[in-house]
Amino acid sequence: ETGVTQTPRHLVMGMTNKKSLKCEQHLGHNAMYWYKQSAKKPLELMFVYNFKEQTENNSVPSRFSPECPNSSHLFLHLHTLQPEDSALYLCASSQERGTENYEQYFGPGTRLTVT
Amino acid sequence: GESVGLHLPTLSVQEGDNSIINCAYSNSASDYFIWYKQESGKGPQFIIDIRSNMDKRQGQRVTVLLNKTVKHLSLQIAATQPGDSAVYFCAENLFGGFKTIFGAGTRLFVKA
Repeated sequence: ETGVTQTPRHLVMGMTNKKSLKCEQHLGHNAMYWYKQSAKKPLELMFVYNFKEQTENNSVPSRFSPECPNSSHLFLHLHTLQPEDSALYLCASSQERGTENYEQYFGPGTRLTVT
Repeated sequence: GESVGLHLPTLSVQEGDNSIINCAYSNSASDYFIWYKQESGKGPQFIIDIRSNMDKRQGQRVTVLLNKTVKHLSLQIAATQPGDSAVYFCAENLFGGFKTIFGAGTRLFVKA
């Protein structure tokens, strides 16, 4: 309903698995974001892409690997995760950054559990 | 040891009353501020924003106040309704920048 969809909505994976989260926006935006929301910390920015170029990596461990093939799609590739990575992963999009500020539109999130 | 979750401040109001949610932001250089609402099972949803050259902005049933002197934001909701029950986050940005910093959030309960 926000124009940002995320799949899967729920994911359970073992520490040795490799999985990917997908985000798609239908709003014509050029900036896309990954956030982590856990029970222990406020919403944390992970990555930002502006016109498909990564502009922000907020000291995220390399076991999280983002990919932005075009302005409408964003992926988060996961491998060798730890139990503390269990959280809600939120994708967002906005109009392009740089000269103006615009609100972000969030997807419903993927609830990730690492066992 | 036992894991402890984030303890969110909680505000409980009667339906029809006005609500005021407060937020202290961290960076004195931030010049764009946003309030988001997050309902259970959903992502955050934009409510209202304000730039640092303003101290007040009104929307439909909502008003944001900005006090840069003490780095304080507030969100006022008029005639609070049960559908307003959610977690409310303030967020700050440097104008034109990419990094948005979110506050911990406040949980609003509306009693019918």
